[in-house]
Amino acid sequence: EPEVTQTPSHQVTQMGQEVILRCVPISNHLYFYWYRQILGQKVEFLVSFYNNEISEKSEIFDDQFSVERPDGSNFTLKIRSTKLEDSAMYFCASSEPPGLGSPLHFGNGTRLTVT
Amino acid sequence: AQTVTQSQPEMSVQEAETVTLSCTYDTSESDYYLFWYKQPPSRQMILVIRQEAYKQQNATENRFSVNFQKAAKSFSLKISDSQLGDAAMYFCAYRRADGNKLVFGAGTILRVKS
Repeated sequence: EPEVTQTPSHQVTQMGQEVILRCVPISNHLYFYWYRQILGQKVEFLVSFYNNEISEKSEIFDDQFSVERPDGSNFTLKIRSTKLEDSAMYFCASSEPPGLGSPLHFGNGTRLTVT
Repeated sequence: AQTVTQSQPEMSVQEAETVTLSCTYDTSESDYYLFWYKQPPSRQMILVIRQEAYKQQNATENRFSVNFQKAAKSFSLKISDSQLGDAAMYFCAYRRADGNKLVFGAGTILRVKS
């Protein structure tokens, strides 16, 4: 079964540094998402992306965050200047058109640790 | 704004027994989708089951079934014949029919005793 893959599985960075989290969505999916889960807390929506633009974003997704689909297969989340509170598990997901009730398929996540 | 509430932080079940996880949600929409996701210790989010709000029939996937009560805005998950591999965090999630984002509940940790 096709999978969403995320790299790296764990990233450690110093506060103020830029990080890029990478995702390869399922190949025939056109809708992409990033979610985050701070340890012990609920999974929170960050952003959705379709047709090379952001379709929806949450209040968490401020100017420090950006997303990009640099080529036909990758989907990235960049955090420009990391803060301690950015430490979390970041999940990428992809889906077929959500209006059809298509479920999101999640990757295994990237654990980001900001020191 | 839509909210999803899982009132049981933790549940336990004996192997081979049945357990029900509760979920309620709040929305003014009439058309939406509901999901249960499982998150084992590996942290991957795995879809368990999906329900369309316009369908009265409760969804079923093998040992997993839901009790969807639209008027009560309730969406519980029943796991029959529980197995050790069912031990995980279970998240209930909501999405508007015309929306992009999933709104998750806080999760319920399910422990399975042998």
